Amino acid sequence: QVQLQESGPGLVKPSETLSLTCTVSAYSISSGYYWGWIRQPPGKGLEWIGGIFHSGSTYYNPSLKSRVTISVDTSQNQFSLKLSSVTAADTAVYYCARGYCGSTSCPFEYWGQGTLVTVSS
Amino acid sequence: QSALTQPPSASGSPGQSVTISCTGTSSDVGGYNYVSWYQQHPGKAPKLLIYEVSKRPSGVPDRFSGSKSGNTASLAVSGLQAEDEADYYCSSYAGSNIVIFGGGTKLTVL
Repeated sequence: QVQLQESGPGLVKPSETLSLTCTVSAYSISSGYYWGWIRQPPGKGLEWIGGIFHSGSTYYNPSLKSRVTISVDTSQNQFSLKLSSVTAADTAVYYCARGYCGSTSCPFEYWGQGTLVTVSS
Repeated sequence: QSALTQPPSASGSPGQSVTISCTGTSSDVGGYNYVSWYQQHPGKAPKLLIYEVSKRPSGVPDRFSGSKSGNTASLAVSGLQAEDEADYYCSSYAGSNIVIFGGGTKLTVL
């Protein structure tokens, strides 16, 4: 069973960069599929942040594109999210997930448990 | 791309059926057969219920079914059970490697 686990600081100061890592177990990222980040502000809905393939090809939500970087480290079987210039509006539970197949049109089948990141001074 | 439109709430009694709608545009829901539905219980990660409009992943009960007409997709839940009480989100591919979600619907089992 594929498992994903998010890790990173739970508190980030305004204007700084949010950095999270997703560690994948029971499946090698190098073998394929589509890997993504999704967030959910407290009490609100889901928002797709972006995704990446093992090749390193990335795709981002246009509304966040100028601030987002997603990268993959196949040697560590991890992929990461960086979101710059954060504000309180970026406070959310951040999820990493694996696509059901190997295309950006694929829904997310496996999800991490999520990690709450709060932006506050 | 704007979020897909879902009703904020829906409800039904145990054993009854309920349908949740998800309205988009011809650039997303109407343009592709890549509509998905997720179920999310409080404090938990979303769970994939339906993909490609009407397909169910292994393990999802056939009480859950999906359909689409034009720019509107629908999730039907039959034989409502207490454990079906959750938030439900639709999602659609919107072209150009972009994915959008709906605002979510809170399903209450009365």
